[in-house]
Amino acid sequence: EIVMTQSPATLSVSPGERAALSCRASQSVSTNLAWYQQKPGQAPRLLIYGASTRATGIPARFSGSGSGTEFTLTISSLQSEDFAVYYCHQYNNWPYSFGQGTKLEIK
Amino acid sequence: QVQLQESGPGLVKPSETLSLTCTVSGGSISDYYWSWIRQPPGKGLEWIGYMFHSGGTNSNPSLRSRVTISVDTSKNQISLKLSSVTAADTAVYYCARAGLFTPDNWLDPWGQGTLVTVSS
Repeated sequence: EIVMTQSPATLSVSPGERAALSCRASQSVSTNLAWYQQKPGQAPRLLIYGASTRATGIPARFSGSGSGTEFTLTISSLQSEDFAVYYCHQYNNWPYSFGQGTKLEIK
Repeated sequence: QVQLQESGPGLVKPSETLSLTCTVSGGSISDYYWSWIRQPPGKGLEWIGYMFHSGGTNSNPSLRSRVTISVDTSKNQISLKLSSVTAADTAVYYCARAGLFTPDNWLDPWGQGTLVTVSS
């Protein structure tokens, strides 16, 4: 099973600043990687797929990069509604797997 | 716009079978793979398994012996059964749509999730 490791576990950032969240795979997943945002009491929402393609309706301040084993989700200028938990997800090999999440909190 | 809604008992006794249904509206379940994922309270996401409308299915090796996923195309529903549950199976259970003709895909959309508590 491919293990997905996200870092940091918690990231404290001020509104308007840039945030970079990391996701590392224990073996290559090519670009078969997605990012999701989850707010309390809500289901995860798809942000990025194919490592770098924004899902429909996702603001341009969200961007994804990387391939193989190293991936980054960048939020260019944090808005109040962006503070949430973010998960990466590899769908290259079954069993598919999620990272443990990064909580993005207001500094 | 496709929408998913999970339903089922919110409380299941230990050793019994958890049964949930995901109803798909706004689109057909045909041609897509459909997935179940769960999230224990305060924890991360765990894959349970997936199924194609015509019957192809796979489940997480850690749960495989206890998981049954099925599809009812006439009702546009996907079902999950998890047998011999314990407190460790307490979680919010989500259904989500995977890919067109492939399970190797991102998940979108998701249902709102349903909390199942295992307790006597």
